[in-house]
Amino acid sequence: DTEVTQTPKHLVMGMTNKKSLKCEQHMGHRAMYWYKQKAKKPPELMFVYSYEKLSINESVPSRFSPECPNSSLLNLHLHALQPEDSALYLCASSPKGGFARAGTEAFFGQGTRLTVV
Amino acid sequence: QKEVEQNSGPLSVPEGAIASLNCTYSDRGSQSFFWYRQYSGKSPELIMFIYSNGDKEDGRFTAQLNKASQYVSLLIRDSQPSDSATYLCAVRDYKLSFGAGTTVTVRA
Repeated sequence: DTEVTQTPKHLVMGMTNKKSLKCEQHMGHRAMYWYKQKAKKPPELMFVYSYEKLSINESVPSRFSPECPNSSLLNLHLHALQPEDSALYLCASSPKGGFARAGTEAFFGQGTRLTVV
Repeated sequence: QKEVEQNSGPLSVPEGAIASLNCTYSDRGSQSFFWYRQYSGKSPELIMFIYSNGDKEDGRFTAQLNKASQYVSLLIRDSQPSDSATYLCAVRDYKLSFGAGTTVTVRA
């Protein structure tokens, strides 16, 4: 089973709303990631959690707030977003994190298509 | 210089032919190398990973890694229309960085 589950699949929110994206994996993976992908562009890394600790924040604006409640769950809290934040938000997990060589293959969820109006 | 560069597309090949995709990377410390396939409107799907110099084969796919040249490639043999997608090269040092992708179209 290489399944990463993201909810919701689609989200439309206003610029004053607060919403959360959820991601879950039950593969025992110890690293989880949030990526943002705009149309016809590659995924851009936002955050990495390794062993439930935030290890990488790629200078993401504070209106995006990640949370890792336990080793299986990853949330992304959204507040006061802008229309340019509309994108596909992808969660991924890998067996290992950090500088491991093997076991770092990342498996992606189906994504949340976010539209900010 | 971009961290990961892929040969510009789009790449159009006839059904049954070999599709060849290339990728170069800038960080000599990179440890792991991946190829993802992404269909339009869908999320990336891992199809190959390689850690050591040489070739790795999985079905119709072969990944090739040359660390001295900082080069990784993907060959798709006996291309099928279902292989039409964007192929993303990804390289990992402390994070996973993606190339811009190459769009492949297999003509029936």
